[in-house]
Amino acid sequence: AQKVTQAQTEISVVEKEDVTLDCVYETRDTTYYLFWYKQPPSGELVFLIRRNSFDEQNEISGRYSWNFQKSTSSFNFTITASQVVDSAVYFCAHGGSARQLTFGSGTQLTVLP
Amino acid sequence: DAGVIQSPRHEVTEMGQEVTLRCKPISGHNSLFWYRQTMMRGLELLIYFNNNVPIDDSGMPEDRFSAKMPNASFSTLKIQPSEPRDSAVYFCASTQTSGGQETQYFGPGTRLLVL
Repeated sequence: AQKVTQAQTEISVVEKEDVTLDCVYETRDTTYYLFWYKQPPSGELVFLIRRNSFDEQNEISGRYSWNFQKSTSSFNFTITASQVVDSAVYFCAHGGSARQLTFGSGTQLTVLP
Repeated sequence: DAGVIQSPRHEVTEMGQEVTLRCKPISGHNSLFWYRQTMMRGLELLIYFNNNVPIDDSGMPEDRFSAKMPNASFSTLKIQPSEPRDSAVYFCASTQTSGGQETQYFGPGTRLLVL
């Protein structure tokens, strides 16, 4: 069975600091996808990124970057120069042979002004 | 383009009442998922449909829960009778499946409170 672990329950940083959110997964699938979603205080779930298990290239999108390491079963998310608007709960998720996503428990990020 | 639409956004009801949550997936998507989010259990899948057919309902808590997808543009999740422990945020998500694990796009959720 799939399992996604986000060990950091809450993180608090001051604006402009860099912050990394950790995600570790367990899977028996040979082909799978990993996702990050953002849930701001308004409650909706916003898709951020999807990565294929065959593609270990790091990805950067503006202030966001993702580091996928198959050897350690990790898919970490870094926000550079954090802003107050980044405050949200961030979920890592796994999708594989079963269509449904398995979510981690989420990391509550608070960015203080 | 319109995203996933859910209604109502908020629902307050009394124990024992019937509750119906509605979802309109993104046009062209052929898979639809119902998730429930609670503090205790996080985000968990209840049921998903592919081409309007229920594929996996193993996450449906019990017989009080039922879901239908009469056509490609509409799905309902019904709870009858409702209980206080059903209080949660219910999300609907949709995707276009074509062999891989495609991105699921979520609706805004329905916040249900059963008194």
